[in-house]
Amino acid sequence: GENVEQHPSTLSVQEGDSAVIKCTYSDSASNYFPWYKQELGKGPQLIIDIRSNVGEKKDQRIAVTLNKTAKHFSLHITETQPEDSAVYFCADPSNDYKLSFGAGTTVTVRA
Amino acid sequence: SAVISQKPSRDICQRGTSLTIQCQVDSQVTMMFWYRQQPGQSLTLIATANQGSEATYESGFVIDKFPISRPNLTFSTLTVSNMSPEDSSIYLCSVEDRRNEQFFGPGTRLTVL
Repeated sequence: GENVEQHPSTLSVQEGDSAVIKCTYSDSASNYFPWYKQELGKGPQLIIDIRSNVGEKKDQRIAVTLNKTAKHFSLHITETQPEDSAVYFCADPSNDYKLSFGAGTTVTVRA
Repeated sequence: SAVISQKPSRDICQRGTSLTIQCQVDSQVTMMFWYRQQPGQSLTLIATANQGSEATYESGFVIDKFPISRPNLTFSTLTVSNMSPEDSSIYLCSVEDRRNEQFFGPGTRLTVL
């Protein structure tokens, strides 16, 4: 889990549209994939995570999908709202507990 | 999820001085971590702090510069020693719960002049 690539780096969407952020990892042994949301001036907040025994997990307007064959996982935000504007980070654990973070995606929801 | 607090929330310090950052969690946890987040950047792990043992530092971070204490299962401190402007960052502590999920504190925003 030392190499996590996150795309895009910035994402601007119209309110009500969907946003998708993708992360690619390199360690095939990885089995836990969290997503964090960081608002300005705050610490990262865990918003959803997925373990390798499932392919998709939903929580209201957010969902995460996992493709273990292709080694990527994605965050999906539907019906975006202004309060979804933040920086989002994916992470991949190495050595069971150390998280390697992606570079982050700045999401801006236009009203 | 665990509730984590950090003190101070922010500080402005002179170069050459040291600052100790405190992290308090509302439940007993085995694993605590310290991260650095430079302006506009992602999070970088500094060290892992387990109670009863020495902290384990990541490549590029050394104990003399970032001494860590972990006296019990709910508290840890990180000291940023002999500070320079390059140490200006957000310093974050995190804890891991029984489900291996990590939760972060609000961060300490450090500016070194």
